[in-house]
Amino acid sequence: DAGVIQSPRHEVTEMGQEVTLRCKPISGHNSLFWYRQTMMRGLELLIYFNNNVPIDDSGMPEDRFSAKMPNASFSTLKIQPSEPRDSAVYFCASTPPEGETQYFGPGTRLLVL
Amino acid sequence: AQSVTQPDIHITVSEGASLELRCNYSYGATPYLFWYVQSPGQGLQLLLKYFSGDTLVQGIKGFEAEFKRSQSSFNLRKPSVHWSDAAEYFCAVGAGDYKLSFGAGTTVTVRA
Repeated sequence: DAGVIQSPRHEVTEMGQEVTLRCKPISGHNSLFWYRQTMMRGLELLIYFNNNVPIDDSGMPEDRFSAKMPNASFSTLKIQPSEPRDSAVYFCASTPPEGETQYFGPGTRLLVL
Repeated sequence: AQSVTQPDIHITVSEGASLELRCNYSYGATPYLFWYVQSPGQGLQLLLKYFSGDTLVQGIKGFEAEFKRSQSSFNLRKPSVHWSDAAEYFCAVGAGDYKLSFGAGTTVTVRA
């Protein structure tokens, strides 16, 4: 099993640019989560999908952030326009049907200059 | 809503010594409890989990944790630490829905 796959692993961009983070959940998993990790705030849940449908997006910071899950094997998190305060590590995680354990990807380290 | 407290921000332990990381949770019913480890520059790896049954749970890498309902605790232990155990450790609690609440993490430094 390849685990949760995220790309890119590192991203450096300039303020105002669009950033797209990608995630491929574990095959057969039907729930997907996007988290943000910072020193100040720790791990924060941004959005939760179940069966490709966004269930809870209350953690999305503002309208600059958007997430999609067009099919069971792919999700994106987009920031447009990006700001320096968006610099963080963004994790994707997935869970199997009727499962409680979240399996995390390696993360994308984003730096916005 | 559930919450987690990890009282120790940083612990330093000698290689070969025992390690115990504390985790206290707040939740009215029986929680789902997890310990994850994050090595530098890496994602979170599941060490072990408790849902029900035996309150002493064995995990990977020689770790174990004990659920104590009376103390609302789920402390992580390892009898003999290896240098490769240097990492950040996160305790998490779930309520059986999709949400996990993570603690702030405990950073473990291993000295030779």
